[in-house]
Amino acid sequence: AQTVTQSQPEMSVQEAETVTLSCTYDTSESDYYLFWYKQPPSRQMILVIRQEAYKQQNATENRFSVNFQKAAKSFSLKISDSQLGDAAMYFCAYRTFMAGGTSYGKLTFGQGTILTVHP
Amino acid sequence: ETGVTQSPTHLIKTRGQQVTLRCSSQSGHNTVSWYQQALGQGPQFIFQYYREEENGRGNFPPRFSGLQFPNYSSELNVNALELDDSALYLCASSRKTSGGPSTDTQYFGPGTRLTVL
Repeated sequence: AQTVTQSQPEMSVQEAETVTLSCTYDTSESDYYLFWYKQPPSRQMILVIRQEAYKQQNATENRFSVNFQKAAKSFSLKISDSQLGDAAMYFCAYRTFMAGGTSYGKLTFGQGTILTVHP
Repeated sequence: ETGVTQSPTHLIKTRGQQVTLRCSSQSGHNTVSWYQQALGQGPQFIFQYYREEENGRGNFPPRFSGLQFPNYSSELNVNALELDDSALYLCASSRKTSGGPSTDTQYFGPGTRLTVL
């Protein structure tokens, strides 16, 4: 079974600075997807960024980028130019990639990291 | 494009009762997944529905059951409620092609907060 570990329960950053959130995972599969989701106090889980394991290039979405190290099974999220609206709980998630009619895309989540942004 | 919606927003029940939570999938999506999120924890996968059938299940007892309707909306039913069932229940929709995996990203609704007294 796959597991996802986020070792930082809480992180803080000053507005306009950069912060990196850590995530490691354990799997025996070679093809899979990794995600970062953001959950503000409103509870809505919002997709931040997605990475396909077969792609060597790190995904980027505006101020958000990842450092994907497949051999090390590490998937960190870097937030540049942090904004007050970035404050939230951030979850790293894993999804298998399996071909076949009965496959399904179960997401396995880490425990989350609470990010505080100071003005 | 309409996003994922869930109802009700909040619900309070007593131990032993039954509850039904509802989810409408995002336009163009045909797969619905349900997750349970305890306070301060990451979501845990309950099950997924595709073509009106359960297409995968996590480590949850049979008193957690579901339905998917022809319009792809879904219900989560929990019987014989226990105090530990108190949680945020999240629904996520995605698109799955016949014979293939759910390659599309899952998009989440705002959740239903269930409190069991």
